[in-house]
Amino acid sequence: DTAVSQTPKYLVTQMGNDKSIKCEQNLGHDTMYWYKQDSKKFLKIMFSYNNKELIINETVPNRFSPKSPDKAHLNLHINSLELGDSAVYFCASSPGRLAPGELFFGEGSRLTVL
Amino acid sequence: QKEVEQNSGPLSVPEGAIASLNCTYSDRGSQSFFWYRQYSGKSPELIMSIYSNGDKEDGRFTAQLNKASQYVSLLIRDSQPSDSATYLCAVGIQGAQKLVFGQGTRLTINP
Repeated sequence: DTAVSQTPKYLVTQMGNDKSIKCEQNLGHDTMYWYKQDSKKFLKIMFSYNNKELIINETVPNRFSPKSPDKAHLNLHINSLELGDSAVYFCASSPGRLAPGELFFGEGSRLTVL
Repeated sequence: QKEVEQNSGPLSVPEGAIASLNCTYSDRGSQSFFWYRQYSGKSPELIMSIYSNGDKEDGRFTAQLNKASQYVSLLIRDSQPSDSATYLCAVGIQGAQKLVFGQGTRLTINP
């Protein structure tokens, strides 16, 4: 069983479209994250949820809207996609928010905006 | 100044040699430090964590931390071609409940 699973793995879409990525973890962790990795491999945190509560919201455009229906799921919806949104989006989970060291990553969702 | 800095490489090391990867960080209050390995097209995976000054060894890997110099390093002994990957340094930012990553060092082990 995959510990952190994301769907879809690949998205190719046109500028201006809206897309969603789903994430689920079966590790029983309380905290989940969205990270963005650009073409230079730089991995940057976007959002963090702890037990469905938003605790980190970095300076991300409000076209990006995360949603956590329960502590095992964290989804990401992106409106009005732009070329600069092309990246790999990683979902991750960790046992607790106060010591967020050990992150368990999903396989990533590669988004290409044309 | 970036919060976590690494030399992006590429770093090329012959098989069997010691690979040395370095990382500096800006938040003097940071208490937790991690090394992740990321193979091409894959997700990052945790290989080492260190919280106290000094060395921590795990198999062929040794993490070294010097909080006074705000410096953390990873040594890989007896390097193997399978160690070829990007190594990401990550630092727990005190009070912010988040992990900040460096830009990664691409390591190539030459047979």
